[in-house]
Amino acid sequence: EADIYQTPRYLVIGTGKKITLECSQTMGHDKMYWYQQDPGMELHLIHYSYGVNSTEKGDLSSESTVSRIRTEHFPLTLESARPSHTSQYLCASSDLGHFNSPLHFGNGTRLTVT
Amino acid sequence: AQKVTQAQTEISVVEKEDVTLDCVYETRDTTYYLFWYKQPPSGELVFLIRRNSFDEQNEISGRYSWNFQKSTSSFNFTITASQVVDSAVYFCALRSGGYQKVTFGTGTKLQVIP
Repeated sequence: EADIYQTPRYLVIGTGKKITLECSQTMGHDKMYWYQQDPGMELHLIHYSYGVNSTEKGDLSSESTVSRIRTEHFPLTLESARPSHTSQYLCASSDLGHFNSPLHFGNGTRLTVT
Repeated sequence: AQKVTQAQTEISVVEKEDVTLDCVYETRDTTYYLFWYKQPPSGELVFLIRRNSFDEQNEISGRYSWNFQKSTSSFNFTITASQVVDSAVYFCALRSGGYQKVTFGTGTKLQVIP
């Protein structure tokens, strides 16, 4: 069973604040991902990582940044939050060594920027 | 490039009815993997099934069954005797050979009415 954790679960902040969404996994997976999910359901890949010190931008342009200093940790940071950043953010991981490995998702962070 | 189409945005059925969720994919690769995920109202995405491009055998798991047809590039998901707990958004996803990113469809929201 997947063990991937996201905090906080819900976050309401004001415009201009800096925030970091945390994501940790205990499975030793090399690959990690951040998806942004619109209210209309569609998932957009915003960042991914193949391993430590590897980060790539996804399909959807995002003002957020990520880091991968440790295998198990893949935090996402918004330097200055805006109402347009209001969304759900989903973190996922998968095993790089197995191409058919599914993504394991965290519970998500629902972010509201006022 | 790869693409996943879930043409059904929302489906409503009465409890105990059967329902099929459609998924059509596009890829130029001969090796690829297809996945289905369930996202209940609580928000997390739960992995349901994977299928590789070399295995067209259909699969049944309890009330769930999946029909993979390469000739029509489809990977449809059927729920038999639907229950209220099946109410969720269901996503079809594709990962093709050598392509590390997973492409998701736009999701189908299923509502099972008691």
